[in-house]
Amino acid sequence: AQSVTQLDSQVPVFEEAPVELRCNYSSSVSVYLFWYVQYPNQGLQLLLKYLSGSTLVKGINGFEAEFNKSQTSFHLRKPSVHISDTAEYFCAVRAGNNRKLIWGLGTSLAVNP
Amino acid sequence: DAGVIQSPRHEVTEMGQEVTLRCKPISGHDYLFWYRQTMMRGLELLIYFNNNVPIDDSGMPEDRFSAKMPNASFSTLKIQPSEPRDSAVYFCASSQSRGREETQYFGPGTRLLVL
Repeated sequence: AQSVTQLDSQVPVFEEAPVELRCNYSSSVSVYLFWYVQYPNQGLQLLLKYLSGSTLVKGINGFEAEFNKSQTSFHLRKPSVHISDTAEYFCAVRAGNNRKLIWGLGTSLAVNP
Repeated sequence: DAGVIQSPRHEVTEMGQEVTLRCKPISGHDYLFWYRQTMMRGLELLIYFNNNVPIDDSGMPEDRFSAKMPNASFSTLKIQPSEPRDSAVYFCASSQSRGREETQYFGPGTRLLVL
């Protein structure tokens, strides 16, 4: 079975500072990894995904994530955040042909002026 | 494309009443997922369909919950009778089977409050 752990439930940061949101997973089979963002009172939107190939994945809104197989991690990063990045961020994993996504509990990013 | 459409966006009801949530997936998508989101349990998959057929309903909490997909463009999630602990945001998502490229697209959610 797969599991996802988002290590920080809340991350406060000042505007224009860099940020890293951490995600670790466990799985006995190959996985596909996703980061979704949820703005207040909205649905979830795909930020980026890792399927194969280059371990550094670039997504929308200047976010990127790096897949580290040895550390079973998929941390999300942005070099300079904006107030508009304030949202809930979810890491998810899908194993092989399984349609189910296994979700982390989310990290609340609060960007302060 | 209009994206995944859910209705209503907000629902307030009293305990014991029947609640019906509706979802229209993205045209051409053959998978449909129903999720529930709460502060305590996060995002939970309730059930998903492939080509209108329920594939896995192991996440449905109990018999009070039922879901149907009568055609490729419509699905319902029904709670009867509703209870205060059902209060949550319910999301519908759809995807198109493309192997590893498959991505789920979410609707805006229905915020349910059961008093």
